[in-house]
Amino acid sequence: GQQVMQIPQYQHVQEGEDFTTYCNSSTTLSNIQWYKQRPGGHPVFLIQLVKSGEVKKQKRLTFQFGEAKKNSSLHITATQTTDVGTYFCAENAGNNRKLIWGLGTSLAVNP
Amino acid sequence: DAGVIQSPRHEVTEMGQEVTLRCKPISGHDYLFWYRQTMMRGLELLIYFNNNVPIDDSGMPEDRFSAKMPNASFSTLKIQPSEPRDSAVYFCASSQKTGYGYTFGSGTRLTVV
Repeated sequence: GQQVMQIPQYQHVQEGEDFTTYCNSSTTLSNIQWYKQRPGGHPVFLIQLVKSGEVKKQKRLTFQFGEAKKNSSLHITATQTTDVGTYFCAENAGNNRKLIWGLGTSLAVNP
Repeated sequence: DAGVIQSPRHEVTEMGQEVTLRCKPISGHDYLFWYRQTMMRGLELLIYFNNNVPIDDSGMPEDRFSAKMPNASFSTLKIQPSEPRDSAVYFCASSQKTGYGYTFGSGTRLTVV
């Protein structure tokens, strides 16, 4: 069945360091959505990528979609304590709006 | 818009009792999803509706779980009878037709003792 793999599962960084999480699939992805969930909170939609090779930026966050549409990444430059949380990628594989979720990458930032 | 509204925020109940979770989606969103989140299993889709009609309930664990959406502004998830293994955070989310992400509610933290 469809699977979206996320690595790493956990990451600890020092405040100010960069952070990257990767989302991989063995099959071509229709699109990729990224969400952030703060500890004790709910997932919050960040962005959707659709086109091959697409790159989008939101302040210190850079989202990329691979040329072959089999992987995606989220890069955070100069992490801050407010970046703490779990970052999920998810694919919306069809018109039914059902998402296939990765297991998430939990980010801890030491001040 | 107030976003997706879920109630209650917390629920503690005894094993065997009926539990009803409630959700009000964002007005104009045609899709409504019920998710369960645990440390062990992550985010699991239980059921989703399109225009108030259940489309896929393959994630509903067993007959103890049921969900309804009587109108576009309200949905319930019921567990009867509840068991300790049902303890989790239950999220409701809604979405527009295409091209947009999900908006999640704040969730209901259910503890069955």
